[in-house]
Amino acid sequence: QVHLVQSGAEVKKPGASVKVSCKASGYTFTNYYIHWVRQAPGEGLEWMGIINPNSARTTYARKFQDRLSMTRDTSTSTVYLDLSSLRSEDTAVYYCARDGLVSTTGYYFDYWGQGTLVTVSS
Amino acid sequence: DIVMTQSPDSLAVSLGERATINCKSSQTVLYSPNNKNYLAWYQQNPGQPPKLLIYWASTRESGVPDRFSGSGSGTDFTLTISNLQAEDVAVYYCQQYYSSPPTFGGGTKVEIK
Repeated sequence: QVHLVQSGAEVKKPGASVKVSCKASGYTFTNYYIHWVRQAPGEGLEWMGIINPNSARTTYARKFQDRLSMTRDTSTSTVYLDLSSLRSEDTAVYYCARDGLVSTTGYYFDYWGQGTLVTVSS
Repeated sequence: DIVMTQSPDSLAVSLGERATINCKSSQTVLYSPNNKNYLAWYQQNPGQPPKLLIYWASTRESGVPDRFSGSGSGTDFTLTISNLQAEDVAVYYCQQYYSSPPTFGGGTKVEIK
């Protein structure tokens, strides 16, 4: 049974950074890329980036390139999203999601974490 | 970036009837060399993550009831929910994965009439 379990809700001040974790289980961690997708309150879905858990290679959406970092720890099958210089517009639920294809990138998402609410407020 | 436009924004359907959701992409998502449409559909219930229903425009994900079907090609796609059940009340999103960044439609809310 595939599971992606994310860390808990965060409240941050503008200008701060946040780190969200996503622990994978039920499959071979290094065989599937992991994406991060966010959803602002009452809004739609926005892709942020992708990490290859095998090589640690990342690709970020253009709008986040200067303040987003994705890393992984193969010993714990965990990927991390680190977003800096937070502003109120970053208030959203952040989801990790597994790529639908094995050992390559399909860019559709077959399993999702439960989501982590990040609130940015002074 | 490819823009995905869904219609309608919301619809109300009687139990047992058919719901039809449309999705249009700003450019083709059909890759000619393999004749595959890079289009997925998701269902999202309140407070829950999205759930994959359909990929390659018409391939149902394992475990998804067969009342859900996807069709279309190129730039125009449809998700059909036949014999609507109470548990189908949700927001539905289309998503293209033809080119990066993957992009989503704005969502269609399905309710019971």
